[in-house]
Amino acid sequence: DTGVSQDPRHKITKRGQNVTFRCDPISEHNRLYWYRQTLGQGPEFLTYFQNEAQLEKSRLLSDRFSAERPKGSFSTLEIQRTEQGDSAMYLCASINRQGADEQFFGPGTRLTVL
Amino acid sequence: AQKVTQAQTEISVVEKEDVTLDCVYETRDTTYYLFWYKQPPSGELVFLIRRNSFDEQNEISGRYSWNFQKSTSSFNFTITASQVVDSAVYFCALSEAARGYQKVTFGTGTKLQVIP
Repeated sequence: DTGVSQDPRHKITKRGQNVTFRCDPISEHNRLYWYRQTLGQGPEFLTYFQNEAQLEKSRLLSDRFSAERPKGSFSTLEIQRTEQGDSAMYLCASINRQGADEQFFGPGTRLTVL
Repeated sequence: AQKVTQAQTEISVVEKEDVTLDCVYETRDTTYYLFWYKQPPSGELVFLIRRNSFDEQNEISGRYSWNFQKSTSSFNFTITASQVVDSAVYFCALSEAARGYQKVTFGTGTKLQVIP
């Protein structure tokens, strides 16, 4: 257990529905990352936050995706009008400080879109 | 652009054999960090090691060792006397100073199966 938690661990939804995932990083960590991992691939960067500010977004993050970190603590990732191609593991990671510290990953949320 | 290549998709070894996982990276930056992570069947990525681009010393930690060679842009990982618990997917990753270490690029991973 790295100390990063994600909820839910599994989500099954029908195409067209909206889903929201939550990530709780380690409390003193100010950077928070979201990744998407599909079968047989490594984690792909989606977006990251420095405190409450969203500083970078990947081109993978279409306008159906939105992420927030309202008070610089937990973060949410929402996917609107889900598509079957959104089926993946969504990973959250946090870092204590700026620089190249290792990231602490949560267990992930596995999304299945039927 | 930064890129990490792990050419070995899957490797199977018999327990107690040594195994080396290859990682080749591309970057235009002179300052960067390289990482290895382990993803066991439970799914949670576990940090193994971080090396910066100025430190080419090989590192050993128990049965694990890492060989960093800037001349060949490689950061290979060796497990000595493999055990069944080593079965997992292993990812190599790169983070560049030019981007403020903001983005980490992962390879596609190597799935290691250790057969008892």
